[in-house]
Amino acid sequence: NAGVTQTPKFQVLKTGQSMTLQCAQDMNHEYMSWYRQDPGMGLRLIHYSVGAGITDQGEVPNGYNVSRSTTEDFPLRLLSAAPSQTSVYFCASNPSGTSALHFGNGTRLTVT
Amino acid sequence: KNEVEQSPQNLTAQEGEFITINCSYSVGISALHWLQQHPGGGIVSLFMLSSGKKKHGRLIATINIQEKHSSLHITASHPRDSAVYICAVYSNYQLIWGAGTKLIIKP
Repeated sequence: NAGVTQTPKFQVLKTGQSMTLQCAQDMNHEYMSWYRQDPGMGLRLIHYSVGAGITDQGEVPNGYNVSRSTTEDFPLRLLSAAPSQTSVYFCASNPSGTSALHFGNGTRLTVT
Repeated sequence: KNEVEQSPQNLTAQEGEFITINCSYSVGISALHWLQQHPGGGIVSLFMLSSGKKKHGRLIATINIQEKHSSLHITASHPRDSAVYICAVYSNYQLIWGAGTKLIIKP
């Protein structure tokens, strides 16, 4: 099993560009989530999904879209990148809300 | 006030010392997670607790539901334990994250 796979590892965007961060898991987990991590701050939830076809907003959803058409994939879309979105992004999955989390290796995004 | 508070924020210790990291929370929870983030950035789940105590190797996690407090202990600490340790609580169907404790173990 590969676990949770995130791509790309690094990305540089110009302000206003759009892009999609990919996240895939092969553990048949129902729950998937996207976080951003900024220096000196804890992980902040962007969007989450409790199953295919179901998504909801987290603490900091503005500027991001998600969809969950399959159990395996949970892509995060930046619609019009802004410097404030410079961060490290983590995707995570777990079988249910109270079970152990599995994280991807992260995507370091810089917006200039 | 944050709903999940970790202390200390930073901790430097010598190899071999007994380490304690604390997590206090102010909300009702159904589970508490301890995770480890290494300098390379990867995040690994260490424990998930809803009561009592769990042990894995040199790591021990305890939780006191009445006092809304959890501790993560590391026995016989080693430089490879240097990492950020993160506490998160599962409350109202969402995870609430602490800011992390940065641990450095000197040889």
